[in-house]
Amino acid sequence: EVQLVQSGGGLVQPGGSLRLSCAASGFTFSNYAFFWVRQAPGKGLEWVSTIDGTGTGTYYADSVKGRFTISRDNSKNTVDLQMNSLRAEDTAIYYCTKERGAFMGLEYWGQGTLVTVSS
Amino acid sequence: DIQMTQSPSSLSASIGDRVTITCRASQDIGYYLAWFQQKPGQAPKSLIYAASSLHTGVPSRFSGSGSGTHFTLTISSLQPEDFATYFCQHYNHHPITFGLGTRLEI
Repeated sequence: EVQLVQSGGGLVQPGGSLRLSCAASGFTFSNYAFFWVRQAPGKGLEWVSTIDGTGTGTYYADSVKGRFTISRDNSKNTVDLQMNSLRAEDTAIYYCTKERGAFMGLEYWGQGTLVTVSS
Repeated sequence: DIQMTQSPSSLSASIGDRVTITCRASQDIGYYLAWFQQKPGQAPKSLIYAASSLHTGVPSRFSGSGSGTHFTLTISSLQPEDFATYFCQHYNHHPITFGLGTRLEI
């Protein structure tokens, strides 16, 4: 059974940092790209970042480029999102997601973790 | 960036109705289109990938069609558990973008 279990998140002041983690199980981890998607309160879905199976290919939304860093540890089956210089507009539920396969879109979603940026 | 436009933004329907939601891309995305369902307080659920392929476990009353810039999600006979918000998404290339959602209400 595929499982994506997220940790991290919480309340942080503007300008602060936070690290989200996603622990995966139930499949061959290094074969799949992972994505972070967020949802601000009452809003729609926004793609944040992607990392390919090897960890060498990373992509970021313009809204987080230069502030967020995605990484993965294929020996521990984890994907992390390091978030620096946080702003109020980064307040959202963050979801870790796994692709079905290359060019097959997102399939599994983590439970989500709330990040609140406020003084 | 590719813009994804969903219509309608909200829709009222009854149990047993057939409903169709439309998603238009601002440029050709081939078949790289996905649909998601989200209920309040829950993570999204993946329904369809590659425009028309159902993910494992998705009921056959859901179907997707289209290519290029025009796509549709159809629910053939609405069930009580189908009342939710639906999002389309392109994954043709980065940046990936989502539609704003269609809220399906009773």
